[in-house]
Amino acid sequence: AQTVTQSQPEMSVQEAETVTLSCTYDTSESDYYLFWYKQPPSRQMILVIRQEAYKQQNATENRFSVNFQKAAKSFSLKISDSQLGDAAMYFCAYHTGTASKLTFGTGTRLQVTL
Amino acid sequence: GAGVSQSPRYKVAKRGQDVALRCDPISGHVSLFWYQQALGQGPEFLTYFQNEAQLDKSGLPSDRFFAERPEGSVSTLKIQRTQQEDSAVYLCASSSSRDRAKNIQYFGAGTRLSVL
Repeated sequence: AQTVTQSQPEMSVQEAETVTLSCTYDTSESDYYLFWYKQPPSRQMILVIRQEAYKQQNATENRFSVNFQKAAKSFSLKISDSQLGDAAMYFCAYHTGTASKLTFGTGTRLQVTL
Repeated sequence: GAGVSQSPRYKVAKRGQDVALRCDPISGHVSLFWYQQALGQGPEFLTYFQNEAQLDKSGLPSDRFFAERPEGSVSTLKIQRTQQEDSAVYLCASSSSRDRAKNIQYFGAGTRLSVL
């Protein structure tokens, strides 16, 4: 079975600082995709960043970047210059090339302090 | 529409009642997904439609759960004889053919179901 593990239930970061959220996954598939979604109190899941497993280069979206270590099955999210609006639940998710569904981790709650 | 719309936002049901949750996907999106998110957990897949065809219902927890998308647009998730363990947020997501190739799903804000 495919699983996604987020070992940090909560993280805190000061405004303007950098924080890294961890995610590991388990799969026997060779073709898959990894995602980080943000869920604010409004509950709507918002796509933050996406990584294709066959790409060596780590994905980057403005202040958000990932460290994708395929052999270690690790996919961490780095948020630079943290802002108050970054406070939310962050979910790591996994999708195979053949399946329809996303498999999510249990989430990390990020607090941003002044 | 501008985004995935779900209604109602909140639903309170007495145990044993039937409920219907509605999802309006982004216009033109052929793929539609339902997920269940229990308190403090990540979303879990329930079912998937491509147009009006339900291609995967492996995540539906019991035969009390039923989903339909008769015209390939709006979808309804129905839960019969609700039980307390059905209390959760039900999320709907949609994807276009192009986004499906990229495996990108766009989510609605969900319906929070509370069964008393």
